[in-house]
Amino acid sequence: QVQLQESGPGLVKPSETLSLTCTVSGGSISTYYWSWIRQSAGKGLEWIGRIYPSGSANYNPSLKTRVTMSVDTSKNQFSLKLSSVTAADTAVYYCVRNGKLSHFDFWGQGTLVTVSS
Amino acid sequence: DIQMTQSPSSLSASVGDRVTITCRASQPISTYLNWYQHKPGKAPNLLIYGASSLQSGVPSRFSGGGSGTDFTLTISSLQPEDFATYYCQQSYSTPLTFGGGTKVEIK
Repeated sequence: QVQLQESGPGLVKPSETLSLTCTVSGGSISTYYWSWIRQSAGKGLEWIGRIYPSGSANYNPSLKTRVTMSVDTSKNQFSLKLSSVTAADTAVYYCVRNGKLSHFDFWGQGTLVTVSS
Repeated sequence: DIQMTQSPSSLSASVGDRVTITCRASQPISTYLNWYQHKPGKAPNLLIYGASSLQSGVPSRFSGGGSGTDFTLTISSLQPEDFATYYCQQSYSTPLTFGGGTKVEIK
């Protein structure tokens, strides 16, 4: 059974960079796309972007100028960086595996990131 | 971007009821439509992918249908553990987008 676990700071200051890492266990990271999804309080789900083990990535145009994703196949990890954060970036962030039809079949438990000084 | 519109945004139902949630895409997406159940404090759970394929481990009371722009999620007999928020999601093109959610509450 594939398992994903997010890690990173739970508090980030405005204008700084949010950094999260997802560690994948129970399976190889090498043959699927891996996504980040977030949910702000009281709002719906927002896809941030996805990365393939080759390093090829697709980002949501609404966040594209601030997002960078990377992958470390040797550690079975992938990462998210979101720059110039504001309070609007406060959310629960999930790392997720994309199945073959780009559905989201395995999810991390989610990590709350608060943007505040 | 493909916009996904769910209806209703919320509903009240009783245990044993048949419940149907609708999702409409702003352009045709074939059967690239997925459904998730989301409970507070937990990660969303994939129920249906490819419009009608039941994810492994998901009870058979859940079913999905539709193609093109109009899709449905049906719960044939609502159980206490089914009270949650349900989201549709299109995987036809990036950016991958979700519907606004349907909250299923106890009547």
